[in-house]
Amino acid sequence: NAGVTQTPKFQVLKTGQSMTLQCAQDMNHEYMSWYRQDPGMGLRLIHYSVGAGITDQGEVPNGYNVSRSTTEDFPLRLLSAAPSQTSVYFCASSRDRNYEQYFGPGTRLTVT
Amino acid sequence: SQQGEEDPQALSIQEGENATMNCSYKTSINNLQWYRQNSGRGLVHLILIRSNEREKHSGRLRVTLDTSKKSSSLLITASRAADTASYFCATDALGNNRLAFGKGNQVVVIP
Repeated sequence: NAGVTQTPKFQVLKTGQSMTLQCAQDMNHEYMSWYRQDPGMGLRLIHYSVGAGITDQGEVPNGYNVSRSTTEDFPLRLLSAAPSQTSVYFCASSRDRNYEQYFGPGTRLTVT
Repeated sequence: SQQGEEDPQALSIQEGENATMNCSYKTSINNLQWYRQNSGRGLVHLILIRSNEREKHSGRLRVTLDTSKKSSSLLITASRAADTASYFCATDALGNNRLAFGKGNQVVVIP
């Protein structure tokens, strides 16, 4: 099993550009989440999903869109990047409620 | 909002010593989880403790939970240089995997 994979590893965007961060898992997990990690802030939940076709907002959803068309994939879209979105983004999955989450290696995004 | 708050924020210890970190939270929880993050890497799950549990062990790790004080502790016994990492607590208030993370504890184990 590859676990949770994320692409790209690094990305630099200019303000106003759009992009999609990819996340995939091969563990048949229903629950998937996106977090951002900023220095001194810990991780904050952006969006999450409890299964294909079902998504919900987390703590900091503004500026981000998600969709979940398959169990395996959970892409995160930045429609118009802003410098405040400079961060490290982590995707995670979990087999069910009350279970541990498995994290991907992260995408380091810089918006200039 | 940040739910978990770890104390102390940074810890430097000698190899072989024990390391203890505390986490406090504000609202009731379904479970509390501890994760480790090595520099530049993703998070790795260590232990999940449910609200009706008071203590759990995993190898050299021991986690306690006191729901009356809304606090948890993580003890690493006989620390090794490889334990150097950041440690995060995360609370799940409703048991739906929406985790709220603390700011993390940076632990340095000196060989």
